[in-house]
Amino acid sequence: QVQLVESGGGLVKPGGSLRLSCAASGFTFSDYYMSWIRQAPGKGLEWVSYISSSGSTIYYADSVKGRFTISRDNAKNSLYLQMNSLRAEDTAVYYCATRPYSNFKFDYWGQGTLVTVSS
Amino acid sequence: QSALTQPASVSGSPGQSITISCTGTSSDVGGYNYVSWYQQHPGKAPKLMIYDVSNRPSGVSNRFSGSKSGNTASLTISGLQAEDEADYYCSSYTSSSTHVFGTGTKVTVL
Repeated sequence: QVQLVESGGGLVKPGGSLRLSCAASGFTFSDYYMSWIRQAPGKGLEWVSYISSSGSTIYYADSVKGRFTISRDNAKNSLYLQMNSLRAEDTAVYYCATRPYSNFKFDYWGQGTLVTVSS
Repeated sequence: QSALTQPASVSGSPGQSITISCTGTSSDVGGYNYVSWYQQHPGKAPKLMIYDVSNRPSGVSNRFSGSKSGNTASLTISGLQAEDEADYYCSSYTSSSTHVFGTGTKVTVL
């Protein structure tokens, strides 16, 4: 069955960096677009970024553009999110999710990893 | 990109039907039939309930249905059950090739 496992979250100071990973299994990873979606404590969902199956197409939310970089390694069935210049408002649970090619739904989600930005 | 607008809360008694609205603009909800809905129980990851406005993934109860009119999409839960108590979020693809989520609605089963 489809499994997505995020890792790399933790406590980081404002201005710091963190790299999140998402290990995928149970499906053909290289066939799927992938996305990061976050949820601040007690708040709603916010789409962060997505990357095409080959990695050639990438989009970001305005709130993270220029600070976050999404990437993938299809040989390792892994998705990444490099987060730089972190701010308190980036504190959230970060989920990775699948997005089928030519479809616009997030059909499978990981359990999330918590990122806390605080001094 | 502004979040889509949903009511903060909706409630109903067991067996009743409720409807959650999701209002956007012609650049998102109104411009594409790519609205999806997600259910989230406390401490859990979201679960896809409806995609492409009105399609149900395999395994999702037919008590859940979706529709759209203009810039507003709707999720209807019929035959409300205790297990339906959760937060619900809509999402839409946008003209900027990005995605946007709704503000979220807490459903309470009385």
